[in-house]
Amino acid sequence: DSGVTQTPKHLITATGQRVTLRCSPRSGDLSVYWYQQSLDQGLQFLIQYYNGEERAKGNILERFSAQQFPDLHSELNLSSLELGDSALYFCASSVEGDEQFFGPGTRLTVL
Amino acid sequence: DQQVKQNSPSLSVQEGRISILNCDYTNSMFDYFLWYKKYPAEGPTFLISISSIKDKNEDGRFTVFLNKSAKHLSLHIVPSQPGDSAVYFCAASGRDSNYQLIWGAGTKLIIKP
Repeated sequence: DSGVTQTPKHLITATGQRVTLRCSPRSGDLSVYWYQQSLDQGLQFLIQYYNGEERAKGNILERFSAQQFPDLHSELNLSSLELGDSALYFCASSVEGDEQFFGPGTRLTVL
Repeated sequence: DQQVKQNSPSLSVQEGRISILNCDYTNSMFDYFLWYKKYPAEGPTFLISISSIKDKNEDGRFTVFLNKSAKHLSLHIVPSQPGDSAVYFCAASGRDSNYQLIWGAGTKLIIKP
């Protein structure tokens, strides 16, 4: 158990819909990272937050947004969903620049 | 432009033998390298890391070697066990990447009994 929790575990929705994925980092970790892993692909970095502020952006689509709240939990919002957005979405947390600890992921299926 | 490359999508090794997973990088400013292990439907878990001031780091059955001149690192697992069957990702970071982890595509390791 990494100490990072993600909800929900599975999500099935239709094209055009909007969903919110939630992540709670390990106690004491200020950084939260979001990744997307499509079928048989590597991990694609989406975005990082540090103590409530956006720190870095990766290959995140404009239809996607994220935020980190004062209690340090984070949400990833995916809107106008397309079939190609079906993937595993991972959240990770770290103290700062150290190894990242990953949650179990949310499997999103867009039908 | 892939800055971190794992050129072998899969590797099959006999149980008890040595598994060697390779990773190449292009950015000479990377100074910290990590290996993660991932089982299906689970998040990656940190395995071992090495900073650029070292050329070897060992933790039990796992050893990571870094060859800075060749921009190459490798993960050795010896002896390989069935539970080692997983996807292994290497990742690198440095000042150029603003210390973000840059990930390889992963190598699927299969340990045969």
